Amino acid sequence: AQKVTQAQTEISVVEKEDVTLDCVYETRDTTYYLFWYKQPPSGELVFLIRRNSFDEQNEISGRYSWNFQKSTSSFNFTITASQVVDSAVYFCALDNAGNNRKLIWGLGTSLAVNP
Amino acid sequence: DTGVSQDPRHKITKRGQNVTFRCDPISEHNRLYWYRQTLGQGPEFLTYFQNEAQLEKSRLLSDRFSAERPKGSFSTLEIQRTEQGDSAMYLCASSSTGAGSPLHFGNGTRLTVT
Repeated sequence: AQKVTQAQTEISVVEKEDVTLDCVYETRDTTYYLFWYKQPPSGELVFLIRRNSFDEQNEISGRYSWNFQKSTSSFNFTITASQVVDSAVYFCALDNAGNNRKLIWGLGTSLAVNP
Repeated sequence: DTGVSQDPRHKITKRGQNVTFRCDPISEHNRLYWYRQTLGQGPEFLTYFQNEAQLEKSRLLSDRFSAERPKGSFSTLEIQRTEQGDSAMYLCASSSTGAGSPLHFGNGTRLTVT
């Protein structure tokens, strides 16, 4: 079975705190892609990052970093020194087919960053 | 690259009416997708085009729903005889054809059926 679990439904932090959003996935395929998308209150889903199953290198982009661990089937997302503008729903997604037709989405984590 | 645009942003209609939404993808993208999202849920796949060919339709897409992409550019999604359960955000996305290409979403059309 293919599945994406985002166990944290809602997280609330104070500005400048670090926060980690968890994503655990299940798949039997050896080739797959993992994504994070951000959905701010305006509603538009914004692509943040993609990882393929053969690339376990962690990535940092400004205040954002991603930790991909195949051993634990996790693809966690950390925001360092959070800001109010980071408030959004964050979705983790799994693509087995490589063409987005069978994209499997987590339920999302709603992050509220309070001033 | 002007991004994916959707029109209208909001649509309120009475039950039983037909509605049509439009999506203009990123011009270089061959693939176009329609998703539906309800509150507290992730997007649900509805249908997918590669160029003008509709390659897949979800079981969620009843006979009242039809999508077209006549010239492989913009797409329309029509819902006939709307029902209250059709109320949702309808999202359009496009991507290139490379494996694992990310989706680029529009702002969505929020449909309210009264």
